[in-house]
Amino acid sequence: AQSVTQLGSHVSVSEGALVLLRCNYSSSVPPYLFWYVQYPNQGLQLLLKYTTGATLVKGINGFEAEFKKSETSFHLTKPSAHMSDAAEYFCAVSDRTGGFKTIFGAGTRLFVKA
Amino acid sequence: KAGVTQTPRYLIKTRGQQVTLSCSPISGHRSVSWYQQTPGQGLQFLFEYFSETQRNKGNFPGRFSGRQFSNSRSEMNVSTLELGDSALYLCASSLLGDSNEKLFFGSGTQLSVL
Repeated sequence: AQSVTQLGSHVSVSEGALVLLRCNYSSSVPPYLFWYVQYPNQGLQLLLKYTTGATLVKGINGFEAEFKKSETSFHLTKPSAHMSDAAEYFCAVSDRTGGFKTIFGAGTRLFVKA
Repeated sequence: KAGVTQTPRYLIKTRGQQVTLSCSPISGHRSVSWYQQTPGQGLQFLFEYFSETQRNKGNFPGRFSGRQFSNSRSEMNVSTLELGDSALYLCASSLLGDSNEKLFFGSGTQLSVL
């Protein structure tokens, strides 16, 4: 069975500071990994995904994430936070062998202080 | 191209009633997944449909059911509503439902059970 753990339900950073949102996964088979963002009163939208190849994945709005198999992690980072980054972020995993199911973490709400 | 459309946007029901939620996927998308989102729990997978067939189901009681029509539109039904069913219900579509595909989410139906 697959699962996702996001460390920290709330993270607060100052504008211009580094953003680091942590995600660890559990999977018995090589996973596909995703980060989605949810702005208030909206559905989720994809930030980035790791399927194969380069382990450092770049996404939209300056975000990137690195797949570390040895640590079973897929942490999301952004060098400099902007006020518009305030949202809820979800890490997700799906089974590379099929299953037709994407499993989401509990989410991390990011607050950005002026 | 229109996005994923969910109706209604808000619903208020009382315990014991039943409810039907509707989802229209992006044109051409044949896979529809449903999720329940509650604060602190993240997104919990309900089920996935492809070509009118349920291919996977999450760990929810039988009161939760769904179906998909030949035009890929999907409905989910919750019977004998309980207070704990209050949540945001999200629908997501993708082209084929493959594990490496991006999910496109609707804005959700906010269900309140009184």
